[in-house]
Amino acid sequence: EIVMTQSPATLSVSPGERVTLSCRASQSVTSTLAWYQQKPGQAPRLLIYAASTRATGIPARFSGSGSGTGFTLTISSLQSEDFAIYYCQQYNNWPLTFGQGTRLEIK
Amino acid sequence: QITLKESGPTLVKPTQTLTLTCTFSGFSLTTNGVGVGWIRQPPGKALEWLALIYWDDDKRYNPSLKSRLTIIRDISENQVVLTMTNMDPVDTATYYCVRRFSTKNWFDSWGQGTLVTVSS
Repeated sequence: EIVMTQSPATLSVSPGERVTLSCRASQSVTSTLAWYQQKPGQAPRLLIYAASTRATGIPARFSGSGSGTGFTLTISSLQSEDFAIYYCQQYNNWPLTFGQGTRLEIK
Repeated sequence: QITLKESGPTLVKPTQTLTLTCTFSGFSLTTNGVGVGWIRQPPGKALEWLALIYWDDDKRYNPSLKSRLTIIRDISENQVVLTMTNMDPVDTATYYCVRRFSTKNWFDSWGQGTLVTVSS
């Protein structure tokens, strides 16, 4: 099983700041990586797939990069609605696995 | 508009079998590439993929739970059913129904989720 490790676990940032979240795979997953956003009491929402492709309707301030074992999700200028938990997911190998999440908090 | 909605019991006893139904609309599970699956999330914890069924009736299970899971589809009713046997309190979680709509296994649509509590 591929283990996905996200860092940091929690990030305190101010609105308007640029933030980068990290996701590392225990072995190469090529570019088969997705990012999801989850707000309290809601289901996750797909942000990014294929490591860097924004899903339909996702604002351009969200961008993904990386391949192999290291990936990042960048939010260029944090908006109030972006404070949430972010999960990465690999789909290169079975079983499909998720990271433990990074929580973005308001500083 | 694509919708998925989970239904089933909110409380089950230890050792019982859980049966969850996902009723979906706005797409067909006979369309090439489409899949419907289940993901769960214990309170305050991360997401765990459980099972996936494809347009061609191929099925995939998480090996850690495979012996306890069964996923089937009812094309005429636009439903996917997940059964999980021998429920335990550690299976307490929100269970989400999800759609895969590509040749790859990322999930572009999610149901609202249903919280299942396992307790005697």
